[in-house]
Amino acid sequence: GAGVSQSPSNKVTEKGKDVELRCDPISGHTALYWYRQSLGQGLEFLIYFQGNSAPDKSGLPSDRFSAERTGGSVSTLTIQRTQQEDSAVYLCASSSRPGWNTEAFFGQGTRLTVV
Amino acid sequence: AQSVTQLGSHVSVSEGALVLLRCNYSSSVPPYLFWYVQYPNQGLQLLLKYTTGATLVKGINGFEAEFKKSETSFHLTKPSAHMSDAAEYFCASTYQKVTFGTGTKLQVIP
Repeated sequence: GAGVSQSPSNKVTEKGKDVELRCDPISGHTALYWYRQSLGQGLEFLIYFQGNSAPDKSGLPSDRFSAERTGGSVSTLTIQRTQQEDSAVYLCASSSRPGWNTEAFFGQGTRLTVV
Repeated sequence: AQSVTQLGSHVSVSEGALVLLRCNYSSSVPPYLFWYVQYPNQGLQLLLKYTTGATLVKGINGFEAEFKKSETSFHLTKPSAHMSDAAEYFCASTYQKVTFGTGTKLQVIP
């Protein structure tokens, strides 16, 4: 597609339920990032996928969070047993090469509200 | 390991005044540096980037930033603020992955 697409754009869920957030990166982009943006906070790195390499999961805040990337393209971020503190905007970004001088292109984000 | 520090989570300037948003990086190797802007209820978009070459980089909407290796800084400036510049600004560095600062919210006072 023309840009990074995230779905849903908004999600309201009950505490304790599981949620899945989807990211469609720009076609051909090998690097994919997930970030979390909470109210009053900056961008919190969650996980990074690069090609077929093992993902960098160092930013995942707890074992309730997991992500996968199928076929080197679409990625799904899963949050199990959601808590109120998980409420945030979850941003996905992709870039054509790891690091280097390429910019990251961001989706519009998924606003997650846990009630 | 690389890190990015943005001094000041909130900055207020009067319309027409100089905008200065500070960014310092820490990296074991010279990084590539970026500024992104996020307007209210929108995603992030690239404002400008430094890769190699000229250390003064010009971006969109009249913004520019200067890479100063000796100071490990990449501060963002604009000579005259407009109301439309009100947004959140993120500095980022890349070496093997993108690392963002915590952001600075710019308020422009009429």
